[in-house]
Amino acid sequence: DIQMTQSPSALSASVGDRVTVTCRASQTVRGWVAWYQHKPGKAPQLVVDDTSRSERRFPSRFSGGASGTDFTLTISSLQPEDSATYYCQHYTASSATFGQGTKVEI
Amino acid sequence: EVQLVQSGPEVKKPGESLKISCTGSGYEFAKYWLGWVRQRPGKGLEWVGLIHPGESDAIYDPSFEGLVTMSADWSINTAYLQLSGLRASDSAMYYCGRSVGYSSCLSNWGQGALVTVSS
Repeated sequence: DIQMTQSPSALSASVGDRVTVTCRASQTVRGWVAWYQHKPGKAPQLVVDDTSRSERRFPSRFSGGASGTDFTLTISSLQPEDSATYYCQHYTASSATFGQGTKVEI
Repeated sequence: EVQLVQSGPEVKKPGESLKISCTGSGYEFAKYWLGWVRQRPGKGLEWVGLIHPGESDAIYDPSFEGLVTMSADWSINTAYLQLSGLRASDSAMYYCGRSVGYSSCLSNWGQGALVTVSS
């Protein structure tokens, strides 16, 4: 099974900063990668799927990318409402694995 | 608008059983795979499995095989996650979510069902 190692586990940044969260896959990914935003007391929300396809509900400052077995979620200009825990997910048609999560604080 | 509404919080004793529900609206419930995710207190997200409500075809993560049972009744747009022989370690928030196409990526999530197992 593919393991997704997410880093950092937490970060603190200022409004307007560019922030990148990384997930490293333990082997070549045969499926796809998604990113979710999870705020306390709320349901997780899909931010990016298929590695780089951004959900319309999220502003354009959120973007996903990949290089080899490294997958990234970048917030180009951090805003106060972006404070949350972000999870990557490797998924296929029938299985999924989440990263450990990155808590982003403003 | 796609909505998934889950059943309310439950407090159970060790050894008891529990069935969490997830009711969908705003889309053709029987045609979309539905996934389940567990989050223990203070921990990350864990993949439980997928079910196709229209065909009752279920795919379990190996970590949850034999521990939970997924089912669905498409006539009332509702899926279920049954937990049997509850242990304290089953205490968690359980989320359901609608799949993006035929995949384990979830585009719309329920609000979560909190399960507490305590003697």
